[in-house]
Amino acid sequence: GENVEQHPSTLSVQEGDSAVIKCTYSDSASNYFPWYKQELGKRPQLIIDIRSNVGEKKDQRIAVTLNKTAKHFSLHITETQPEDSAVYFCAASNPAGNQFYFGTGTSLTVIP
Amino acid sequence: DAGVTQSPTHLIKTRGQQVTLRCSPISGHKSVSWYQQVLGQGPQFIFQYYEKEERGRGNFPDRFSARQFPNYSSELNVNALLLGDSALYLCASSPRTGRNEQFFGPGTRLTVL
Repeated sequence: GENVEQHPSTLSVQEGDSAVIKCTYSDSASNYFPWYKQELGKRPQLIIDIRSNVGEKKDQRIAVTLNKTAKHFSLHITETQPEDSAVYFCAASNPAGNQFYFGTGTSLTVIP
Repeated sequence: DAGVTQSPTHLIKTRGQQVTLRCSPISGHKSVSWYQQVLGQGPQFIFQYYEKEERGRGNFPDRFSARQFPNYSSELNVNALLLGDSALYLCASSPRTGRNEQFFGPGTRLTVL
């Protein structure tokens, strides 16, 4: 089955700096890659996603890049703010959309 | 519009007991998936149901089962509870299988003593 690895496990940045979280996947058939933000005690929330026919997607301060050849994708957050502090999860899904595999999470702390 | 809802919020059981968790998807969503999230880990996929049929299954023992009802709500059952089953159980809904976007409910926190 699919194996998703996520790095780093913890990340601290100064407010205003950029944060980058990286994930790799093993199954070349995976074609959908969402990112979720989970604040303490709350549900995971979809913040951005990318499909395998696209190399990059951006939404305001958040962007995701995908390298299908290398089987890795990354989340980029620019101009970080204290409210960006949370645990971020990457995931990979098969084309049928009936199997999802999550990374182990990155705890991001934005220091004011 | 209401989001995904789950009940109960918290649950305490003892080893060997059975538990049933419930999920109501977003209105109009026909696919429901269940996940187990152990503290400090990412969600682990358990099941996906669409139109009352199982469409996907993760690597969980047969003690875990689920079903989906005509109104697209779903139940997750876990038999013969073990201490290791203590976790947050998340339900996520999608408009249909093959539409990958998933929206999560708040979860049910299960503690097995």
